[in-house]
Amino acid sequence: GDSVTQMEGPVTLSEEAFLTINCTYTATGYPSLFWYVQYPGEGLQLLLKATKADDKGSNKGFEATYRKETTSFHLEKGSVQVSDSAVYFCALLAGTYKYIFGTGTRLKVLA
Amino acid sequence: GAVVSQHPSRVICKSGTSVKIECRSLDFQATTMFWYRQFPKQSLMLMATSNEGSKATYEQGVEKDKFLINHASLTLSTLTVTSAHPEDSSFYICSASQDSNYEQYFGPGTRLTVT
Repeated sequence: GDSVTQMEGPVTLSEEAFLTINCTYTATGYPSLFWYVQYPGEGLQLLLKATKADDKGSNKGFEATYRKETTSFHLEKGSVQVSDSAVYFCALLAGTYKYIFGTGTRLKVLA
Repeated sequence: GAVVSQHPSRVICKSGTSVKIECRSLDFQATTMFWYRQFPKQSLMLMATSNEGSKATYEQGVEKDKFLINHASLTLSTLTVTSAHPEDSSFYICSASQDSNYEQYFGPGTRLTVT
């Protein structure tokens, strides 16, 4: 069946470091891909999305490109801030509403 | 906009009792609401989907008699864990969708501990 694999955390970086969180997926057909972020004590927020191959989603300095050839959707940010500390979830949308989530990657950014 | 709340945020109950968790869409009408369960260091797993005014659709392996879902209005869905047991302890997250658009808005989650 469809699945999402994320790199395990936690990931600890210094402020202004480059961030990559890997995400690969397995799916039949052509799913939409998402990154959600969960700050402490809050719900999941949509960070960015891509609906077809080669699309690049971007928001708040974060980017991810839908790579069909490598079935990947890696999240990147050029310079992280302390305020980016959160848990990041990669997800795919199979069908009209069924999300499949990765296990989440905790990011901790140190000042 | 598109804010979803859950209540309570944390609940502790004794084994054998029932507990109700509320999910509300605060600034939009949610035709569809979803309930997820998240175990420590694991993915969110969809439990069920509910449409306003109709019976919930449960995912395979989820006991519908144990996890009662009601979606009586366009802004409120409830999940009742009946006869709770320690293995039901988990983080429960709801989400809501306004229409046939697939984007879901997530609540902050409810941590249930059954002693």
